Amino acid sequence: GAGVSQSPSNKVTEKGKDVELRCDPISGHTALYWYRQSLGQGLEFLIYFQGNSAPDKSGLPSDRFSAERTGGSVSTLTIQRTQQEDSAVYLCASSLAGFNYGYTFGSGTRLTVV
Amino acid sequence: QKEVEQDPGPLSVPEGAIVSLNCTYSNSAFQYFMWYRQYSRKGPELLMYTYSSGNKEDGRFTAQVDKSSKYISLFIRDSQPSDSATYLCAMTWNSGNTPLVFGKGTRLSVIA
Repeated sequence: GAGVSQSPSNKVTEKGKDVELRCDPISGHTALYWYRQSLGQGLEFLIYFQGNSAPDKSGLPSDRFSAERTGGSVSTLTIQRTQQEDSAVYLCASSLAGFNYGYTFGSGTRLTVV
Repeated sequence: QKEVEQDPGPLSVPEGAIVSLNCTYSNSAFQYFMWYRQYSRKGPELLMYTYSSGNKEDGRFTAQVDKSSKYISLFIRDSQPSDSATYLCAMTWNSGNTPLVFGKGTRLSVIA
C-alpha cells in the first residue's frame, strides 16, 4: 500500500480481555517499530523488527505485551489481560533498512480499556 | 531526568509570527536529529532531519542543532493556521535502524 495501515483505528475493551492490534507496513520496508503514545507522555518505544533478525523487545513494559511479524511484513501487537493504564494510542512505523530518519507512521490504534 | 526534554506548551501565536520550538537532551551520543509534525488523530510525519551540529533550512522551516549545549530548535517563519499541530523532536545515535527517542511534543496553535 501507499502508507502504513493500522487496524482497528479504535478499540474499546474490558479490563482483563486480550487485544490484538495490526500493522501493515509499506511494501519493501524491512524495519518496523511499535510505539505507544499516552496523554502527556510522548512516544514510548515498545519493540522493533529488522528483517529476519531477532526483535528488539527492550521497550515492552511487561510480559503482557508481545508482538510478532509474519513473513517480514504484517505485524501484530498483542496485549494480554488489559489494564486501564494500557489505554493509549499505539503507533506503528516502518522504514527502509539503514534509513533511520525515514520513519513513516500509521495513524495509530486508539485503545481504551474500561 | 528524561533523555529528551520538550516543553509541552500549549503555545499560541498569531498568524505570521515566528515560532521557536526547542528540545534539550542528555545523551551526548545522539548524532541524528529530527522534527516530526503530528496533526490531531494522525500519526507523526517527518518535517526536518539534521545530522550533527548546524542549521538546515526548508522553506519556512529552519532546524538548528547545537551539540555543545545539547539543544535543538525548530523555527517556523510566517506561521500559518495550517501549522497548528503538535511538534515532536526525535533523535538517535545511529543512522541504522535504532529506535528514535522522542520528546513529549509541543502543541502549537496559530491563530488567524
